[in-house]
Amino acid sequence: RKEVEQDPGPFNVPEGATVAFNCTYSNSASQSFFWYRQDCRKEPKLLMSVYSSGNEDGRFTAQLNRASQYISLLIRDSKLSDSATYLCVVNPGSNYKLTFGKGTLLTVNP
Amino acid sequence: GAGVSQTPSNKVTEKGKYVELRCDPISGHTALYWYRQSLGQGPEFLIYFQGTGAADDSGLPNDRFFAVRPEGSVSTLKIQRTERGDSAVYLCASSLDSYNEQFFGPGTRLTVL
Repeated sequence: RKEVEQDPGPFNVPEGATVAFNCTYSNSASQSFFWYRQDCRKEPKLLMSVYSSGNEDGRFTAQLNRASQYISLLIRDSKLSDSATYLCVVNPGSNYKLTFGKGTLLTVNP
Repeated sequence: GAGVSQTPSNKVTEKGKYVELRCDPISGHTALYWYRQSLGQGPEFLIYFQGTGAADDSGLPNDRFFAVRPEGSVSTLKIQRTERGDSAVYLCASSLDSYNEQFFGPGTRLTVL
């Protein structure tokens, strides 16, 4: 089983749609969790950290379920500029070693 | 301020050649990381430096890969006897220390013919 598994995608949605990405991780000792965004041929950038209590940043909501080892990202009222690859990232116990999923490509269409 | 920079942005080489990839971290960042991203995959951890020392090189795929950070700032990833399977984007990241957000550079796209 891969350490971090994500929806394979791709997702194609119209502007204004709500889209949800799911991710599971295998290491129950994992300490911290993130969603990164990567534009085509660019570097990954931190979108948001994910906390057990759930957290929201504008149109983006992240959830963590430690018991199920499951992470989600919800994007509401999607914009054209949200088109990118979304990477689920887990810190498996060390502070520094990030483990990335393969990413899910989102295309928001006009 | 300036972000992480990497040179060259693109490198094309022939199988069997030696290559060096350079990373300039954000000033003041003590932690530096190298990752490799193959087509259609997420980045994979290669090595982590805290200051001048390689604190964890467990992600280096084999002994053809080596990295240094002699003065605790700039780092160089060195690949000997390159193989076609080494073709990927090599990403460098830095952070204030290992507990803080990692900021990625734009990467070096390595193509081995």
